[in-house]
Amino acid sequence: AQTVTQSQPEMSVQEAETVTLSCTYDTSENNYYLFWYKQPPSRQMILVIRQEAYKQQNATENRFSVNFQKAAKSFSLKISDSQLGDTAMYFCAFMKANAGNNRKLIWGLGTSLAVNP
Amino acid sequence: DAGVIQSPRHEVTEMGQEVTLRCKPISGHNSLFWYRQTMMRGLELLIYFNNNVPIDDSGMPEDRFSAKMPNASFSTLKIQPSEPRDSAVYFCASTLSGFDYGYTFGSGTRLTVV
Repeated sequence: AQTVTQSQPEMSVQEAETVTLSCTYDTSENNYYLFWYKQPPSRQMILVIRQEAYKQQNATENRFSVNFQKAAKSFSLKISDSQLGDTAMYFCAFMKANAGNNRKLIWGLGTSLAVNP
Repeated sequence: DAGVIQSPRHEVTEMGQEVTLRCKPISGHNSLFWYRQTMMRGLELLIYFNNNVPIDDSGMPEDRFSAKMPNASFSTLKIQPSEPRDSAVYFCASTLSGFDYGYTFGSGTRLTVV
């Protein structure tokens, strides 16, 4: 069975600085997808970034980028130039590829990030 | 598209009462998921549907919980009778099978059972 581990329950960063959130996962699958979701205090779950396991290039979305290390089963999220609006809970998630109707996401427990002014 | 629409946004009810949560997925999405989120247990998948058919309901806590998806544009999650330990935020999410772009979530329903 797949598992997703986020080892940092809480983190903080100063505005405009860079922060990295860690995520590791365990799977025997070779093809899969990894996601980072953000949940701000408004509680809306928002997809931040997505990575396909068969792509070596790390995904990037504006100030958000990932460091995907497939052999190490690591999928960290880097937030550059942190903004107050980045304050949120961040969840890492895993989905098997080519799984037919099975679109279940396996979730980590989340990292609470506080961006301080 | 208006996104995934959930109602109500907040619900306060007395123990023993029936509660019905509603969800309208994004038009064209054919997979729908119900999640429960609490501080203690994080995000729990309760049930998910594909093409209106329940695929996996192993996360449904007990017989007090039931979910239906009578058509592609509507789903309900019902709790009867409700208990204080059911207090949580309930999310609905949808996606399109075959396109692994993750889920789109609704805004959630915060349920408080007193």
